[in-house]
Amino acid sequence: GQQLNQSPQSMFIQEGEDVSMNCTSSSIFNTWLWYKQDPGEGPVLLIALYKAGELTSNGRLTAQFGITRKDSFLNISASIPSDVGIYFCAAQGYGGSQGNLIFGKGTKLSVKP
Amino acid sequence: SAVISQKPSRDICQRGTSLTIQCQVDSQVTMMFWYRQQPGQSLTLIATANQGSEATYESGFVIDKFPISRPNLTFSTLTVSNLSPEDSSIYLCSVRQGTYEQYFGPGTRLTVT
Repeated sequence: GQQLNQSPQSMFIQEGEDVSMNCTSSSIFNTWLWYKQDPGEGPVLLIALYKAGELTSNGRLTAQFGITRKDSFLNISASIPSDVGIYFCAAQGYGGSQGNLIFGKGTKLSVKP
Repeated sequence: SAVISQKPSRDICQRGTSLTIQCQVDSQVTMMFWYRQQPGQSLTLIATANQGSEATYESGFVIDKFPISRPNLTFSTLTVSNLSPEDSSIYLCSVRQGTYEQYFGPGTRLTVT
């Protein structure tokens, strides 16, 4: 079945640092979405990408839809403490059951001790 | 984006009983989904809740265990039947708006003892 490989699995951030994470797959998708989940909450949609090569920003967050349609990355610039949480990539294929979202395993952002 | 509420927000249930989770959306939506998120894991689609017809279940999920109702375009319920400790998870309602953007409720945290 279709799978999304999200990396890194976890990372520590220091305030002010830039953060980068990505998702790859062997399958082609027509939509990539990035979510953030805080403890005890449902995932919140951060950015949606619809076209190969598309680069979209939402404040300090920037995401890109890979040219091959098989990958996407998310960058967070000048991180702040409230960026801590779990970030999930999600992708959607073309129609039928392939039109359902599938999710990566998540990247957990924590504050450097 | 749609505002999604879920009831209950959490529950502790005994083995062998059932729990019904309600999902209410503040606007009419065509596509509603139910997901499961096991502790520390990613999101797995249980089923698509179809208005006026039976839900469409993903592989590994069956109607007898996870009956779903969708009486109108703003409401759905998911029942988790014959509970076992392995059913302890977060259950999330989700709706799709526009072509591809998908939003999540706050989740229902179920613990089975």
